[in-house]
Amino acid sequence: DADVTQTPRNRITKTGKRIMLECSQTKGHDRMYWYRQDPGLGLRLIYYSFDVKDINKGEISDGYSVSRQAQAKFSLSLESAIPNQTALYFCATSDRVGTNEKLFFGSGTQLSVL
Amino acid sequence: DAKTTQPNSMESNEEEPVHLPCNHSTISGTDYIHWYRQLPSQGPEYVIHGLTSNVNNRMASLAIAEDRKSSTLILHRATLRDAAVYYCILRDEGGSEKLVFGKGTKLTV
Repeated sequence: DADVTQTPRNRITKTGKRIMLECSQTKGHDRMYWYRQDPGLGLRLIYYSFDVKDINKGEISDGYSVSRQAQAKFSLSLESAIPNQTALYFCATSDRVGTNEKLFFGSGTQLSVL
Repeated sequence: DAKTTQPNSMESNEEEPVHLPCNHSTISGTDYIHWYRQLPSQGPEYVIHGLTSNVNNRMASLAIAEDRKSSTLILHRATLRDAAVYYCILRDEGGSEKLVFGKGTKLTV
């Protein structure tokens, strides 16, 4: 089983719909992240969490929200999806010690908003 | 944000060494240099990281310039499984808790 699991793997939705992407991890890490990947733009950070109940905005948080109710779970929500939120979404965890950080990524969720 | 500059793409033949360059002229004194790679249809995976000294592991070597303004990821013998997008990453210069991904280098083997 994967250490970082994202569900669903693929999702097609319509403009205005609410959608939630789930991420769970078995690595026991406190830090979790949501990234978005668009062709030609690399990965951009949406939100991150260093502990249960801790939430921090990344560089592109507008239009998204997250929930971290347990150490192992970090969910990303789009309250009202729009077409430019069509992208590949990655969840990651990390075992940072000081400034030394190693990220572990899930396999991604491909989201299409029509 | 701390920025990195990488070539968009590179090509290599199998069994030959590959040197993937990265420029990071705005790196701060305590920033680690990280390398990740993303194989097709997968999430990025950690390759190697370093601060000042050259580093080696089972996947690759990392050569860091003395002034730390550039680094080179070295794959000693490229295989077809090494075909991926390679990202050179620094911690954000503002001291925030995020790794800033650039656009990466697409390596074709």
